[in-house]
Amino acid sequence: DGGITQSPKYLFRKEGQNVTLSCEQNLNHDAMYWYRQDPGQGLRLIYYSQIVNDFQKGDIAEGYSVSREKKESFPLTVTSAQKNPTAFYLCASTRTSASSYNEQFFGPGTRLTVL
Amino acid sequence: AQSVTQLDSQVPVFEEAPVELRCNYSSSVSVYLFWYVQYPNQGLQLLLKYLSGSTLVESINGFEAEFNKSQTSFHLRKPSVHISDTAEYFCAVIMNTGFQKLVFGTGTRLLVSP
Repeated sequence: DGGITQSPKYLFRKEGQNVTLSCEQNLNHDAMYWYRQDPGQGLRLIYYSQIVNDFQKGDIAEGYSVSREKKESFPLTVTSAQKNPTAFYLCASTRTSASSYNEQFFGPGTRLTVL
Repeated sequence: AQSVTQLDSQVPVFEEAPVELRCNYSSSVSVYLFWYVQYPNQGLQLLLKYLSGSTLVESINGFEAEFNKSQTSFHLRKPSVHISDTAEYFCAVIMNTGFQKLVFGTGTRLLVSP
């Protein structure tokens, strides 16, 4: 079955440590996204990538970094510079066809707790 | 800039009662409109979408939403809810131009009780 996997589902880290969240898709999608979800704030875009080896900052990129070395993978690193990293992180992907609309598919999410 | 407003953070309702979750948007250009559902500790699933055509769109599980351009609204309704509809619902928009960035509302938690 095609889909998006995120691992692990729950992640605990000590304050000051960098941590990398995994996102893998086998949908052959070109574009991938990272969102952060906090209670009462909806989803906010952290980074996105429309093609391999290219990515752009979203609305809240400070304290985060990404790479896109493979089409299938878009890992997110939460660095020690992120002031409030505890949140639920969602990865998404979509085709980038000539169609005016391409549906975004979401992974199951990773809940990061920084102690 | 576009934004999405979901005024109700939480909507409690009894099983088999009707429900409406409100969504208003602001945008200077035409938009695509979406409702997503999120069950506890899971990702988002697309519930329904409005791209063009008929202003009333329906999902397979009985939800419907109506695009009202004059009121810039896209409210979600269901005539009779089930316990299993308990979840968080997000309204979202995409500008009909350029990079397709989803802008989400803050979400509405629907709590269905027996």
